[in-house]
Amino acid sequence: GAVVSQHPSRVICKSGTSVKIECRSLDFQATTMFWYRQFPKKSLMLMATSNEGSKATYEQGVEKDKFLINHASLTLSTLTVTSAHPEDSSFYICSAPPPGLAGREQFFGPGTRLTVL
Amino acid sequence: AQSVTQLGSHVSVSEGALVLLRCNYSSSVPPYLFWYVQYPNQGLQLLLKYTTGATLVKGINGFEAEFKKSETSFHLTKPSAHMSDAAEYFCAVTEAAAGTASKLTFGTGTRLQVTL
Repeated sequence: GAVVSQHPSRVICKSGTSVKIECRSLDFQATTMFWYRQFPKKSLMLMATSNEGSKATYEQGVEKDKFLINHASLTLSTLTVTSAHPEDSSFYICSAPPPGLAGREQFFGPGTRLTVL
Repeated sequence: AQSVTQLGSHVSVSEGALVLLRCNYSSSVPPYLFWYVQYPNQGLQLLLKYTTGATLVKGINGFEAEFKKSETSFHLTKPSAHMSDAAEYFCAVTEAAAGTASKLTFGTGTRLQVTL
């Protein structure tokens, strides 16, 4: 099946710093990618839809200036958590639907565990 | 709008026993339905999906689910649980819109515990 990677898998940073998380589709092109946040023992919350060549679409309640999304190419989307604070600590997961399966299944990255001290 | 309800945040079964994880959905258009499994500190892996056609779908690791439109349900079953099945299971729905990447809406998840 299609493969989606994330980097880094785990990051620890100090409060006030910015952290960039990369999401790559390794064997297919993705014009759309999705970013989710998962709190401990909770479900996935969609944060935003990343669109190649255009601005991301953010879900209600998600601060676009806090969580910067850039879909630089058809295989790469990045999520930057700016001026991170301890409450931003979470598990961040991206997903992408392969072409031809639009509106159907999505392939998920392995996730990035962010810990802000 | 679409939504998913998973009854039971935690299910415990004995090894070899039947696994039944419940999922009910709400969708204004014909849905695509999915079950994903998540192991600790990992991403989600697709177990199975329903798009169109046969309502009983078989997935990996011996799991299957049946789409029942009249009951708006998509329950996940496995005849005989194995210790390796212990994980978090998520039911998800997306609207069947061709040509666009639709958002997935997830249920709150069910943690499956398998005991000896």
